[in-house]
Amino acid sequence: DTEVTQTPKHLVMGMTNKKSLKCEQHMGHRAMYWYKQKAKKPPELMFVYSYEKLSINESVPSRFSPECPNSSLLNLHLHALQPEDSALYLCASSQGRGSGFSAETQYFGPGTRLLVL
Amino acid sequence: KQEVTQIPAALSVPEGENLVLNCSFTDSAIYNLQWFRQDPGKGLTSLLLIQSSQREQTSGRLNASLDKSSGRSTLYIAASQPGDSATYLCAVRRDTGFQKLVFGTGTRLLVSP
Repeated sequence: DTEVTQTPKHLVMGMTNKKSLKCEQHMGHRAMYWYKQKAKKPPELMFVYSYEKLSINESVPSRFSPECPNSSLLNLHLHALQPEDSALYLCASSQGRGSGFSAETQYFGPGTRLLVL
Repeated sequence: KQEVTQIPAALSVPEGENLVLNCSFTDSAIYNLQWFRQDPGKGLTSLLLIQSSQREQTSGRLNASLDKSSGRSTLYIAASQPGDSATYLCAVRRDTGFQKLVFGTGTRLLVSP
């Protein structure tokens, strides 16, 4: 299984809602990533987890809260988002072995398209 | 700060043509460069990865070259097909510290039958 799955595919939420995005992989990868991609823009890194611990936070606002409950699962909890947070949220994973894992090939999921009203 | 630019932003060609997509980056201190494909509203699929010590990589009808010193890479697609229609992104990793992917602005390719 070389697939990264993301649910839901689409999400519409109000600014006062709390929702969560889910990402799952069963490739035995120990590094997982969240990216944000605005329309017609390149993806931008948000968070990196290595062995279920937060390794990188690219100065993301606290209304985005990542969680890695186990080695196969990565969540992104959303609360009090703004309309400008509407974007495609991509999850990726890589083998995550060793200190140089950041240079590994990453496998991307199909993304969750989020609309904040 | 690394900046990655892709030219052209959009390209429309008839089926069967050979084409070249360009990627340039401002900081030549890279570890590797990767080309991705993204279908509308979908995730990214890795096409080719070139290490900084390499000059080119090939996969099927795709050939990617890297000129690290001049900060340039090209993706050559031979005998284009309608199924090649997608956005193509290049991304570079720096050679020190946390090597996050820095993506280019993308080239939207449309291959018409």
